Amino acid sequence: QVTLRESGPALVKPTQTLTLTCTFSGFSLSTSGMCVSWIRQPPGKALEWLARIDWDDDKYYSTSLKTRLTISKDTSKNQVVLRITNMDPVDTGTYYCARCRVGAPYFDFWGQGILVTVSS
Amino acid sequence: QSVLTQPPSASGTPGQRVTISCSGSISNIGSNYVYWYQQLPGTAPKLLIYRNNQRPSGVPDRFSGSKSGTSASLAISGLRSGDEADYFCAAWDNSLSGPVFGTGTKVTVL
Repeated sequence: QVTLRESGPALVKPTQTLTLTCTFSGFSLSTSGMCVSWIRQPPGKALEWLARIDWDDDKYYSTSLKTRLTISKDTSKNQVVLRITNMDPVDTGTYYCARCRVGAPYFDFWGQGILVTVSS
Repeated sequence: QSVLTQPPSASGTPGQRVTISCSGSISNIGSNYVYWYQQLPGTAPKLLIYRNNQRPSGVPDRFSGSKSGTSASLAISGLRSGDEADYFCAAWDNSLSGPVFGTGTKVTVL
């Protein structure tokens, strides 16, 4: 059974760095072709893809947010970490991690999401 | 900002058929597969359709997808109250080198 769970702070101040952790089970990021992505959703708005890390440690970022994002993985812990620098109130939203397959741009299992509010 | 455009809402009575459109461009829908996600209230999105018209295991055949040119559609037949949700389309975008999502359509069962 594949499960993913996001963890991190619910509240961050403007200009701070947000660090989110995705802990997963039921698959391994050392398996060829596997990947994990981060996707966010501002309240009442559409989904936005942020970043992806592949089984071979290749990393991909949203072009509009690339300078602020860092994605990494710890295969032994089954975790993927996303860091977003210089947080702003417009970054408020629910952040999801989701499993994907390299070459197949869809997400077959999602975490429950974590709501992050950016406010002073 | 969303690259794919959907109507904000759609509705129907139980048993009816509802269709949701998704409009894109040559760099996304026009060149790549379309995917659809269902997001029930307060929950994470769930993959509903992949590769234009394929259903993952467990998704009823009441849900069907199609694509033509730079547009795609999701049809829900035999509408049920449990189908009330937000529906998002998605596709890879060659220009952005990443997946893009639609603006989302809220389906209401009257």
